[in-house]
Amino acid sequence: NAGVTQTPKFQVLKTGQSMTLQCAQDMNHEYMSWYRQDPGMGLRLIHYSVGAGITDQGEVPNGYNVSRSTTEDFPLRLLSAAPSQTSVYFCASSGSGPGANVLTFGAGSRLTVL
Amino acid sequence: AQKITQTQPGMFVQEKEAVTLDCTYDTSDPSYGLFWYKQPSSGEMIFLIYQGSYDQQNATEGRYSLNFQKARKSANLVISASQLGDSAMYFCAMREADYKLSFGAGTTVTVRA
Repeated sequence: NAGVTQTPKFQVLKTGQSMTLQCAQDMNHEYMSWYRQDPGMGLRLIHYSVGAGITDQGEVPNGYNVSRSTTEDFPLRLLSAAPSQTSVYFCASSGSGPGANVLTFGAGSRLTVL
Repeated sequence: AQKITQTQPGMFVQEKEAVTLDCTYDTSDPSYGLFWYKQPSSGEMIFLIYQGSYDQQNATEGRYSLNFQKARKSANLVISASQLGDSAMYFCAMREADYKLSFGAGTTVTVRA
């Protein structure tokens, strides 16, 4: 099973460039989310989705866009990258029923903005 | 306000000894879930253990147990018989009714031989 697949694993951008982090899951999970991890701050929720066509903001949504056109995919878009967006990004998914609440994480994407 | 608080930035433990990682949480939802994840130096997030707010018994998974004290809003992780491979960052997290998962800042555990 592939689980949650994130691409790319590493990316270097210049300030002002745009890019999309891809996330795909093959577990038919309704819930998908994006987190960023910065030293000493744990993981902070950027955006999340409870199903196709539904997205909502998390704790740190500014500078990021998401869409959920299918159950499987949940891309994260940086419209105009800033050095403050240098971070490790994790995509995670889960089912939404009782007993299906464990989030499965992707391997992470390390983004550097110069 | 912080939903999850982990007050121990780093801990050292001797191999084969037990270690307790502290976690307190804040929520007004009656239904919530508490999780612990391990992040080794390779970076992946590994699920360890889950405790539901209505669970009567403390959760256990092998060498991991969760000391759940609901009235004190505490969900400490106990790792028994520590191994060198347990050296990692450990995160406590809480999921409330809106499905969002909030994480603490993490505790780094170093196991000494």
